[in-house]
Amino acid sequence: EPEVTQTPSHQVTQMGQEVILRCVPISNHLYFYWYRQILGQKVEFLVSFYNNEISEKSEIFDDQFSVERPDGSNFTLKIRSTKLEDSAMYFCASKTPRSYGYTFGSGTRLTVV
Amino acid sequence: DAKTTQPNSMESNEEEPVHLPCNHSTISGTDYIHWYRQLPSQGPEYVIHGLTSNVNNRMASLAIAEDRKSSTLILHRATLRDAAVYYCILRDPTINAGGTSYGKLTFGQGTILTVHP
Repeated sequence: EPEVTQTPSHQVTQMGQEVILRCVPISNHLYFYWYRQILGQKVEFLVSFYNNEISEKSEIFDDQFSVERPDGSNFTLKIRSTKLEDSAMYFCASKTPRSYGYTFGSGTRLTVV
Repeated sequence: DAKTTQPNSMESNEEEPVHLPCNHSTISGTDYIHWYRQLPSQGPEYVIHGLTSNVNNRMASLAIAEDRKSSTLILHRATLRDAAVYYCILRDPTINAGGTSYGKLTFGQGTILTVHP
């Protein structure tokens, strides 16, 4: 069964550093998403992306965050200057136009120290 | 987004049926009812969805009340691998030109299902 692949599975970074989280969505999917889950809390929507532009973003997704689909297969989330409170699991998801279900990756655990 | 209410936790024994309830009294006519689950250390996984009629798939069944103000996810024979957090979500009805929705999913706290051997 096709999967959404996320790398790395775990990333440790120093506060203030830039990080890029990578995702390879399922190949025929057109809608892409990032969510995050702080330990013990709810899964929270960050951003949706379609047709090479952001469709919707949450208030969490401030100027420190950006997304890109650089080469037609990867979908990346960049955090420009990480804060301690950015420590969380980050999940990528994708969807086809005709399906109702969203497919999530296994996540990247980001630890900011 | 319309809100859902689920019990914080439920327990079941292996090979017994499990009925996971969800209340959504403010559901609108166009909201689909989605269920996802999140296994430990995994991303959410789509389970099933429905609008008005009861639905069955290989993973589960979804029973929707006639007034659509509540629904129940039914696992017919729970296994240890079904231990997860189960989320009932009313899908944001953002519609694109093709008629399907691509809007965000809004997750609540979900129900933690524990399955005992």
